[in-house]
Parts: sequence; C-alpha cells; structure tokens
Amino acid sequence: SQTIHQWPATLVQPVGSPLSLECTVEGTSNPNLYWYRQAAGRGLQLLFYSVGIGQISSEVPQNLSASRPQDRQFILSSKKLLLSDSGFYLCAWSLGQGAAGYTFGSGTRLTVV
Amino acid sequence: AQSVTQLDSHVSVSEGTPVLLRCNYSSSYSPSLFWYVQHPNKGLQLLLKYTSAATLVKGINGFEAEFKKSETSFHLTKPSAHMSDAAEYFCVVSDYFGNEKLTFGTGTRLTIIP
Repeated sequence: SQTIHQWPATLVQPVGSPLSLECTVEGTSNPNLYWYRQAAGRGLQLLFYSVGIGQISSEVPQNLSASRPQDRQFILSSKKLLLSDSGFYLCAWSLGQGAAGYTFGSGTRLTVV
Repeated sequence: AQSVTQLDSHVSVSEGTPVLLRCNYSSSYSPSLFWYVQHPNKGLQLLLKYTSAATLVKGINGFEAEFKKSETSFHLTKPSAHMSDAAEYFCVVSDYFGNEKLTFGTGTRLTIIP
C-alpha cells in the first residue's frame, strides 16, 4: 500500500535561519507531488507541485523553494525564514488521474520566532 | 477556472442531531468533488469523492454528500453527529488538466455540543 511520510512534525526556527522540510512517498511510482501551506484560520494554499523528477511549478511568489531530487522525494526549502512563513505545511501526492484526489502527509507545524 | 465556496465558516450541532455542511462550486468542466476532514494539527483525510458516477456519495464515518448540478452544490450531511466528528472540513473541486490541481474551500469548523 502507498504511504506518505513528512517530517519533522513540529519546528521552531528563528527569523533568518534556513529551512528544509522533507516528504517521501512509498508504494507508488511517478506520483504528482504537492506542497501546501495552511496559515492560521485560513484554507490551504498550493505552494508548489511536481509532475516528475526535477520538474517544479510554483503557484505563488514567496520566500520558499522546492526540489524533487528523486521520484518519490519532495523537499521544501528556504534560505532565510520570515515571520510570515509560519504555518502548517502539508505534503501530498496523487496519481494525476483527475478523480482520485490527494493523499496527505501528517503535516509540519512551523513557527518562526 | 474552478472555485468552491463553503457557506459557513463555523457550524455547531448537538451530539446525536443531523449535520449539514454546505458547499457550492464553480467549474468550467465536469468536476470531481471531494470532502476532506482535518483534526487539530493533523493532515487531511479523504471523507468521500464524487467522480461523475452516482450523485449520492457515501463516505467514511457515516457521512454522505449529494452532487446537484442544477444547484452547483455538494453539501455534506450526517444523520447523527458524534463527538469525534468535531474537526475542520474542506470542500474541494478538481478540474483535470494533467496535474490534478485541487482548489480548496476555506473550511468549515464543526463543533459538537455534548
């Protein structure tokens, strides 16, 4: 069966420090991968999606970047965190078939102080 | 373009009474529609999905939703609320363009009164 792992679960980082959040998927090949952010009291905002290794599409301009070094690995990064980067980050995968929906990871609660 | 509107940001019901969470969508094509549930500080779990088959969709934990094209609605219901149903619920629409980007509603927080 397919599983998705996301870590760490919680993270407190000072302003200006770097960030690396990792997401891996098991049990499937060539998934579509997504990073979402959920700010306090708001809905989900799509940050990045990837349909293959090295292929990254950005949905909104921001202080973050994403990379996909392997088929089932998706990394969210920042060189210098801002206070506004605080939020709940969710990784997800899908088979890109339009009707299956996503499977989400358990999320990372990032607090920038 | 696609969009989804969740008509209530917060719904409170008493335990054992019916639940109704409202959702309206807009889509240029035949959409797929989903409801996800999120418990505090957890990821999102798929409750149910509509993919152009039966218009009444049954999901997990006793939830169901009815796709009404004439009303562009996909409301989520449950006959009898349970304390464990307290969570955030998201209505989601998908138009397939090869990357399956989903558009999320802003969410409805469901509170269950004992």
